[in-house]
Amino acid sequence: GAVVSQHPSWVICKSGTSVKIECRSLDFQATTMFWYRQFPKQSLMLMATSNEGSKATYEQGVEKDKFLINHASLTLSTLTVTSAHPEDSSFYICSARVYGNTYRWMGADTQYFGPGTRLTVL
Amino acid sequence: TQLLEQSPQFLSIQEGENLTVYCNSSSVFSSLQWYRQEPGEGPVLLVTVVTGGEVKKLKRLTFQFGDARKDSSLHITAAQPGDTGLYLCAGEGGNNRKLIWGLGTSLAVNP
Repeated sequence: GAVVSQHPSWVICKSGTSVKIECRSLDFQATTMFWYRQFPKQSLMLMATSNEGSKATYEQGVEKDKFLINHASLTLSTLTVTSAHPEDSSFYICSARVYGNTYRWMGADTQYFGPGTRLTVL
Repeated sequence: TQLLEQSPQFLSIQEGENLTVYCNSSSVFSSLQWYRQEPGEGPVLLVTVVTGGEVKKLKRLTFQFGDARKDSSLHITAAQPGDTGLYLCAGEGGNNRKLIWGLGTSLAVNP
C-alpha cells in the first residue's frame, strides 16, 4: 500500500521545450503533494507544496512561472518545467501526504515519495 | 528559520564496522524521520520518532530521538555493503508542517 508513482521516470529534451511530470498516489487520496528537486548526493530541496484545487505554494527562489504545478485531483499532481534549459537538469521527486489517521493501514501523517524523474535538458 | 544539521556528510567504511549519523538542531521538532535513498530512486522511510528520548530499532539500525526533541541519531551495527546509500533525516515542526531536511549522509560500505 501507499504507492506513489511518477511518470516519466526519465526524460531528455531540447533546450526551450516544456516537460510535464506526473505524480500519482495509486491507492490513497493525498491531502497534499510536494515537489522536490535533488542534485547528486545532496539532500532534497522543496520546490512547492500543492493542495488539491488550490494554487501551489512555492518556496523562496523557485519561479512559479517556470515550474507550473497543477493539482487537479486528490490523486494527481503535475509539474511542468517550461522553456527548459540545461540548468534545469535534475532529479525531480514528488511526495504525497495524508494528514491524520484517514487510512488505518498507513502511518499517521506520513509522507510517501515517488521514485523520481531524471530530467536532462540538452 | 529551522535548520537541521546532519553529519557526517560523507562516510566510507569497511564491512563489519559500526557508524553513527547525527542530526542536530536548535529547534524543537514534533517528529523526526529517517530515510534511505538509493541512486535514481525516491527516499524510503525507515522510521519516525515522535517522543523525546524514544529509541527504535530496525534490525541492525538503532534510531534515537533526543530528550528535548532537537536532535536524533542513527547507529548502524556491523555495516554491510547493502547499507550503502544516502541517509536523510527530516524534522517536522512549525505551523506549516513542512519537513525540514538535513543535508544527507552518503554512506559507502566496502566489502
